[in-house]
Amino acid sequence: ETGVTQTPRHLVMGMTNKKSLKCEQHLGHNAMYWYKQSAKKPLELMFVYNFKEQTENNSVPSRFSPECPNSSHLFLHLHTLQPEDSALYLCASSQDSDRGNYGYTFGSGTRLTVV
Amino acid sequence: AQSVTQLDSHVSVSEGTPVLLRCNYSSSYSPSLFWYVQHPNKGLQLLLKYTSAATLVKGINGFEAEFKKSETSFHLTKPSAHMSDAAEYFCVVSGGTGGFKTIFGAGTRLFVKA
Repeated sequence: ETGVTQTPRHLVMGMTNKKSLKCEQHLGHNAMYWYKQSAKKPLELMFVYNFKEQTENNSVPSRFSPECPNSSHLFLHLHTLQPEDSALYLCASSQDSDRGNYGYTFGSGTRLTVV
Repeated sequence: AQSVTQLDSHVSVSEGTPVLLRCNYSSSYSPSLFWYVQHPNKGLQLLLKYTSAATLVKGINGFEAEFKKSETSFHLTKPSAHMSDAAEYFCVVSGGTGGFKTIFGAGTRLFVKA
């Protein structure tokens, strides 16, 4: 275990469904991130939260909606997804998103399949 | 502006032989540099990091990397590959303050042959 826990590990959903991904860390970190990892594509940053405030939205479609109720928890709410949204969704945390020398701790990811 | 280039998309070595995964970076600031490893169906794990201290950085599992400012490189090496090293490796650059970005390389897939 890395200290960052993602649930569920696998998710299959229809295009009309609504589901949520959950990420939890108890490392005392203040920044949390969502990344999308698709086959044969570079890792894509989606959202950044620092001290519970969203500091970056990397032009993500509105069918992805993040929520960060506190520094330990991060959610990604999904609705009316497309098949091309199928990917591994990775959550990460770090000490502070404004300082780049700490490195990230990643969760194991949620493998999402949209059918 | 920052960028990172992993020069090989795939590297194949035999077990017991040295590993070299190449990474070049570009940064307007004094960068922090990282290597992460990802095993199948897992998240990324931090292998090692350079943050302006010693230029030769030792990481977990026998890996090390050398920061060479003149060559803008941060290559990852290991003297002797194990089967368990087969994975994808990502070079990452972060730099500066007030607008720094963390940029991930495209990854290098390491294959280890018995």
